[in-house]
Amino acid sequence: DAKTTQPTSMDCAEGRAANLPCNHSTISGNEYVYWYRQIHSQGPQYIIHGLKNNETNEMASLIITEDRKSSTLILPHATLRDTAVYYCIVRAANQAGTALIFGKGTTLSVSS
Amino acid sequence: DSGVTQTPKHLITATGQRVTLRCSPRSGDLSVYWYQQSLDQGLQFLIQYYNGEERAKGNILERFSAQQFPDLHSELNLSSLELGDSALYFCASNRDREKLFFGSGTQLSVL
Repeated sequence: DAKTTQPTSMDCAEGRAANLPCNHSTISGNEYVYWYRQIHSQGPQYIIHGLKNNETNEMASLIITEDRKSSTLILPHATLRDTAVYYCIVRAANQAGTALIFGKGTTLSVSS
Repeated sequence: DSGVTQTPKHLITATGQRVTLRCSPRSGDLSVYWYQQSLDQGLQFLIQYYNGEERAKGNILERFSAQQFPDLHSELNLSSLELGDSALYFCASNRDREKLFFGSGTQLSVL
């Protein structure tokens, strides 16, 4: 019962912005959008999350459409170290103390 | 460094054997989660413990078991190992409704 749809893979040139899309057309009003990434064989790492407003932190920006049916994770200046699998996960606020369920994610390849 | 420690980093064993993977959560984190990652299955949630009690089960086989001790560290026991159990095993922890922090994993190879 996949709640999100992401492209299998994307390429990005070093120094350019990487824009990773995620479709979550069945999202409910109380569900947040989370992004994690996994650099090769390392443990997944939290990036950012949001409900309906755009969010920005030191790692990335999260743009959520007004209807909340899709979102985009933006890495403003991608580096080679940003090469990883990026996971978009939708989860309700009342599930915050439960396990994250990961899909297949998007493999982002950053090249020089 | 996430603050979550997993040992050992690598483990090589034979089919039919039993192994124990260990996880020390971040200081103060009451929840521990175990995940399995194989090439064909991706990241699969196995089991969650909260303050010593089992809270949720995912796709955990009956040959696998886990526990969380009073000092909050956790162990994942894998028995009657099969070739298909070869995978990366991750532990994660958090407190309350915080984001998850993952360890660097244990690579299990069953030969």
